Amino acid sequence: DAGVIQSPRHEVTEMGQEVTLRCKPISGHDYLFWYRQTMMRGLELLIYFNNNVPIDDSGMPEDRFSAKMPNASFSTLKIQPSEPRDSAVYFCASSLIGGGGELFFGEGSRLTVL
Amino acid sequence: QKEVEQNSGPLSVPEGAIASLNCTYSDRVSQSFFWYRQYSGKSPELIMSIYSNGDKEDGRFTAQLNKASQYVSLLIRDSQPSDSATYLCAVNAGGGADGLTFGKGTHLIIQP
Repeated sequence: DAGVIQSPRHEVTEMGQEVTLRCKPISGHDYLFWYRQTMMRGLELLIYFNNNVPIDDSGMPEDRFSAKMPNASFSTLKIQPSEPRDSAVYFCASSLIGGGGELFFGEGSRLTVL
Repeated sequence: QKEVEQNSGPLSVPEGAIASLNCTYSDRVSQSFFWYRQYSGKSPELIMSIYSNGDKEDGRFTAQLNKASQYVSLLIRDSQPSDSATYLCAVNAGGGADGLTFGKGTHLIIQP
């Protein structure tokens, strides 16, 4: 299995620009999670989906952030407009089961907003 | 607010010794507990899970859970330089929650 695939691996953009991060979960995994990691705050859960439906988006920091999962093999996390404080590594993870099953992480997308 | 606390370290341990990593959590009803390892610049990977009080052993790794004290630990025996990484404690609250709450991690350094 190819694992969780994220793109882009690195993104450098200027404040105010739109950023779109992409994720392909492991085939057959019903749960998809978006996490953000910074030195100050560690790994934070932003939003997760079950069978393509958003279940909990309480971790999404602001309305500037949005996430979609149009089908079982693709999800996007969009930031519009981006700000320097959004600079972080964004991880996508998938899981076969909910309730605390093992998370399989992608390699992450490192975002730098200038 | 659910919290998972870890000492950030760095924790320095000589090669061959036992490394002991600790974690406390605030939500008393938490059900599932995990230890992830994260190498610098890489993504977290699961190394241990534990669901009931007591010890669980897997090779050189032992996870210990004490729900009464809201405490989870990870022991690494015969520490190797390749064990040098950040170790993240993660907790699932149960009750239908699906996500994990992570601690900020403990940076472990194994000295050759």
